[in-house]
Amino acid sequence: EVQVVESGGGLVQPGGSLRLSCAASGFTFSDYWMSWVRQAPGKGLQWVANIKQGGSEKYYVDSVKGRFAISRDNAKNSLYLQMNSLRAEDTAIYYCARGGALTGYYAYWGQGTLVTVSS
Amino acid sequence: DIQMTQSPSSLSASVGDRVTITCRASQSVSSYLNWYQQKPGNAPKLLIYTASSLQSGVPSRFSGSGSGTDFTLTISSLQLEDFATYYCQQSYSTPYTFGQGTKLEIK
Repeated sequence: EVQVVESGGGLVQPGGSLRLSCAASGFTFSDYWMSWVRQAPGKGLQWVANIKQGGSEKYYVDSVKGRFAISRDNAKNSLYLQMNSLRAEDTAIYYCARGGALTGYYAYWGQGTLVTVSS
Repeated sequence: DIQMTQSPSSLSASVGDRVTITCRASQSVSSYLNWYQQKPGNAPKLLIYTASSLQSGVPSRFSGSGSGTDFTLTISSLQLEDFATYYCQQSYSTPYTFGQGTKLEIK
């Protein structure tokens, strides 16, 4: 059974940092693009970033460029999101999602981890 | 970035109704358009990928069509469990933007 499980969310002050993790199981992790998608409270979905199978290609939404860094460790079947210089508008549930081998749709999602940026 | 606009933003309907939600892209996304269903407190669920392909396990009352900039999601006969929020998403070019969502409510 395919599973992705996020962890690492919490309360952080504006300007602070947080590292999210996503543990994958039930599939060959290194075969798939992986992504982070977020959802602010009561709002819609926002795509944040994705990373290619080997980690050589990474893409970000403009609002997080230069502040967030996506990475992966295929030996550990894990995806990460390092979030620096956090702002109140980064408050959201962050979902880890499995992309396709060549495609950008998401058939598998985690349950999400809540990040709250507040003083 | 490609902007995705859904209409309507909310919709009231009854069990058994046929419902159509539209999604328009600000530029062509070919057939790289996907639809998701989300219920409160849950992660999104993939319904349709590449405009018209039904995800495994999704009931056949859901269907998708379109290409280029205009797409539709149709639910042929609404069931109670279909009342949720629906999102389109383009996977043609990064960032893979989502529509703002369509909330489907019980009339």
